[in-house]
Amino acid sequence: QVQLQESGPGLVKPSGTLSLTCAVSGGSISSSNWWSWVRQPPGKGLEWIGEIYHSGSANYNPSLKSRVTISVDKSKNQFSLKLSSVTAADTALYYCARDIADYHDAFDIWGQGTMVTVSS
Amino acid sequence: EIVLTQSPATLSLSPGERATLSCRASQSVSSFLAWYQQKPGQAPRLLIYHASNRATGIPARFSGSGSGTDFTLTISSLEPEDFAVYYCQQRSYWLTFGGGTKVEIK
Repeated sequence: QVQLQESGPGLVKPSGTLSLTCAVSGGSISSSNWWSWVRQPPGKGLEWIGEIYHSGSANYNPSLKSRVTISVDKSKNQFSLKLSSVTAADTALYYCARDIADYHDAFDIWGQGTMVTVSS
Repeated sequence: EIVLTQSPATLSLSPGERATLSCRASQSVSSFLAWYQQKPGQAPRLLIYHASNRATGIPARFSGSGSGTDFTLTISSLEPEDFAVYYCQQRSYWLTFGGGTKVEIK
């Protein structure tokens, strides 16, 4: 079955760029699914960051749009997140997730998450 | 932005009891609503999608209902492993999550 695995630096300096990758295994990133990034600050709720389709088409949370870029690498079966100009407010557990193919309105598969701390 | 308001914030119940969780949207989301369960140190787990469809492998004690702006997640008889935080999420206009309901042991 499809599994997702996030990777990337656990510590990013303020004003820097956060870069994460989500590797897809057990399935193809070129399937009929959208692939998303979701984050969760410590002790808080969930926030959708954005999504990408294998064609490269992407949608972003309007509140983060100016700082976010999500890209896909079909040759490596993975997709990536870049978040620029980070501050302490971007400290969170970052998840990658796959949307459910039936209605595209929920995430049926999640990675285990990777913690990113923004600090000097 | 569509705001999802979950109530109550905390639900204190005993195993075997029925749990009723509410999610209200600031505007209609049709049936584009999902429910997740999250336990400490774990990723969210999809329970219900498109308002009332149980995800693969989810026990029948979990059910979802509603459409438009008012939705309910019902756990018919709480098992010990059901004590967790539950989130609703809409996909009608962009994507947002509710603030969560914690179901704790009474």
